[in-house]
Amino acid sequence: DAGVIQSPRHEVTEMGQEVTLRCKPISGHDYLFWYRQTMMRGLELLIYFNNNVPIDDSGMPEDRFSAKMPNASFSTLKIQPSEPRDSAVYFCASSSIADTQYFGPGTRLTVL
Amino acid sequence: DAKTTQPTSMDCAEGRAANLPCNHSTISGNEYVYWYRQIHSQGPQYIIHGLKNNETNEMASLIITEDRKSSTLILPHATLRDTAVYYCIVRRPRKGGATNKLIFGTGTLLAVQP
Repeated sequence: DAGVIQSPRHEVTEMGQEVTLRCKPISGHDYLFWYRQTMMRGLELLIYFNNNVPIDDSGMPEDRFSAKMPNASFSTLKIQPSEPRDSAVYFCASSSIADTQYFGPGTRLTVL
Repeated sequence: DAKTTQPTSMDCAEGRAANLPCNHSTISGNEYVYWYRQIHSQGPQYIIHGLKNNETNEMASLIITEDRKSSTLILPHATLRDTAVYYCIVRRPRKGGATNKLIFGTGTLLAVQP
């Protein structure tokens, strides 16, 4: 099993640009989670999906952030427009009915 | 979900057992204790979880006190690769289609020394 796959692994962009982060969950998992990790706030949940439907987006910081899951094997997290305070490591995780979450390697985002 | 308290950091000699404590005095009867770890520059990794019985897997053992107010994660023979931040998380079981969030605290930085 390849595990959770995220791309890109590193992203450097300028303030105001659109950023799209991508995630492929583990095959057969029906939950997908997006987290953000910063030194100041630690690891925090942004949004999660069940069977491709968003269940809880209460952690999404503001309207500049959006997430989609068009099918069971792909999800995106988009930031438009990006700001320097969005710089962080973004993790995707997936889980099955067993409820244990498995994390991807993360995308390190730097907004200049 | 109940809050947890962990030491900020711990040291352990390579080859020795690492015992990482966690206090969760406000845990409810149906809440599980989960342990994850995060090695530098990697995503969090699931280690083990339990409800009230002690659990063991290929990575670690989890000892939960009888009153369930605290637990200890045991790495029986720590190696340098076990250096990481270890998170103890208390979590309710899922209800219907809604899973329950993993709320990560600050964890314990375990430094395995050669």
